Amino acid sequence: NAGVTQTPKFQVLKTGQSMTLQCAQDMNHNSMYWYRQDPGMGLRLIYYSASEGTTDKGEVPNGYNVSRLNKREFSLRLESAAPSQTSVYFCASSLVTGMNQPQHFGDGTRLSIL
Amino acid sequence: AQSVSQHNHHVILSEAASLELGCNYSYGGTVNLFWYVQYPGQHLQLLLKYFSGDPLVKGIKGFEAEFIKSKFSFNLRKPSVQWSDTAEYFCAVMQKKSSGDKLTFGTGTRLAVRP
Repeated sequence: NAGVTQTPKFQVLKTGQSMTLQCAQDMNHNSMYWYRQDPGMGLRLIYYSASEGTTDKGEVPNGYNVSRLNKREFSLRLESAAPSQTSVYFCASSLVTGMNQPQHFGDGTRLSIL
Repeated sequence: AQSVSQHNHHVILSEAASLELGCNYSYGGTVNLFWYVQYPGQHLQLLLKYFSGDPLVKGIKGFEAEFIKSKFSFNLRKPSVQWSDTAEYFCAVMQKKSSGDKLTFGTGTRLAVRP
């Protein structure tokens, strides 16, 4: 069981570039989440998806879009990257439906915007 | 606004020492409480959680936490730490609201255990 898989693990972008962070879970979980982790800030929820085809904004959604095309995958897109989006991004999933009960986390994507 | 305070940012202990990491929150309503652990180079894992019932919660790897409602606290404890407990620990508090639950993470406590 792989759990929650995130790709890529590391990425460096220039300001204005776009990219998509991929996340997939093989636990048949309904809920999936994207968080960003910044020093001294804890984890902050960017977007949440309760099920395929549904998404909700979290605490810090500006500058991001998400897509939940199927139950397994939940992608996070930066349309025009900004230095303030330099962070470590974590995808998470949960069998429990609810915006704020992540149970399993991916290994993270370390993203640097120059 | 809800806040979650983890007072100790860095803690250094020797093996076999006892551990207590503080977590306080500011929300006065119903809460669910969590502790997560992040080992070096690994992802976050749920260590334990409190929803209701016995305020003393036992988690994995010998950890426990006690919910003290009057003190708005949910401190994490372990009687005897091991080198393998070296990690970053995050407290999280979910406010239960009719308008929608809100989960807030603390800023984390880095624990280093000396062998």
